Parts: sequence; structure tokens; C-alpha cells
Amino acid sequence: AQKVTQAQTEISVVEKEDVTLDCVYETRDTTYYLFWYKQPPSGELVFLIRRNSFDEQNEISGRYSWNFQKSTSSFNFTITASQVVDSAVYFCALIYPAREYGNKLVFGAGTILRVKS
Amino acid sequence: DSGVTQTPKHLITATGQRVTLRCSPRSGDLSVYWYQQSLDQGLQFLIQYYNGEERAKGNILERFSAQQFPDLHSELNLSSLELGDSALYFCASSVGNSPYEQYFGPGTRLTVT
Repeated sequence: AQKVTQAQTEISVVEKEDVTLDCVYETRDTTYYLFWYKQPPSGELVFLIRRNSFDEQNEISGRYSWNFQKSTSSFNFTITASQVVDSAVYFCALIYPAREYGNKLVFGAGTILRVKS
Repeated sequence: DSGVTQTPKHLITATGQRVTLRCSPRSGDLSVYWYQQSLDQGLQFLIQYYNGEERAKGNILERFSAQQFPDLHSELNLSSLELGDSALYFCASSVGNSPYEQYFGPGTRLTVT
């Protein structure tokens, strides 16, 4: 079964702190895709990153970085020097591209990040 | 702005009624997805269409149906509405029938009273 677990329900930090959002996934195959999405208070879902299971290189984009570790089935997201605008709900998601599943995103429950000034 | 449009933004209706939610994908995208976001169920996949044909179904209720038209826009029809159908309904689109990133519309907030 495909499953994504985001154990941290809510995290509060003070501006300029670094924060890591955890994501653990379960899937039965070797080919899969991992995603992070951001949902700010306005409600829309914003795509942040897509990573396939064969690419274990970590990625950095500005203040954002992602650590993909197949050995622990984790795809963690770190925000460096957090800002108030980073306050949002962050979702980790998985696509396991089997015929019966199409390309459905399986989402974790989300982590609420609150950044205080 | 993702390029995916959804109408209406808000919808308030009574139990037993039927509503239609509309979605226009990003220019060039052939796949359309519908998701439901509720407090108790989180974000759940409902259905995917690719170039007019149904590609995959999630836990979509029989009271719900969808279609994708030749111009690639999609509609989600919800009938015999119940209080529990109150949720945020998202449409997303992607380039093809592969696990590319999906871009989400702003959502339609449905309130059933």
C-alpha cells in the first residue's frame, strides 16, 4: 500500500530559525515519485519539488533544501532562515505509477508551520 | 498563479441538491485531476482524466461524476448532497499521462447546509 506519513502536526519557530519538516513514505515498488506542496493561508496548493526514486541527490533552491534517503524511506524538507511568509501547511505526497492508480497523488496529513516574528 | 482556473470559488447549497464544479487546465495540459480536501479525510484523490478519457478513480462516491470535454476543460458533478460533502474541491492538471508535477487551481469551497 502507498502511504505518506508526516508525523509533525504543527511546528512553531521564530523568524530566522531553520526548520525541518519530516516525511516518511511507504510503497511497494522501486519506481515512484515524491513531491512537496505548500498551502498558504489563502488556500491554494503550490508545487515545490518533484523527485523520482532513482535520483537520490539532495536539492537546494534558495532557502529550501530537500534530503531524499531511500534507506530510511524519507524525503525531508528544510527551510533555512525561516520567514513569516513561510507560514503555511506543507504536504508531502507520493505517486506510485501503477495502471490502476493512474497518476494520483497520495498526500500526507500535512504539517502546519507557524513562523513568528 | 498556476494557470489552472476553477469556478465558482465558493458555493453554498442545501442538502439533496446537485452542483457542478468547473475546471480549465493549464494551456497544453492533457490530464485533469480532482481532489477533495476535508478536515477529517485530508487531501483525497477523486478521479483523473487524460485527453477526454477516464484514467483512474479514487474513492469517489457514486453520487459524484466527472467528465473531460474535447476542449479539455472538466466538470465535477456532485448530486444528492449531504452535509459531509462540504469540503474544498481542487482541480489539478499536468502535461501528460505520466507522473509529472500537478498544478492546482484555487479550489471551490463547497458548503452544504
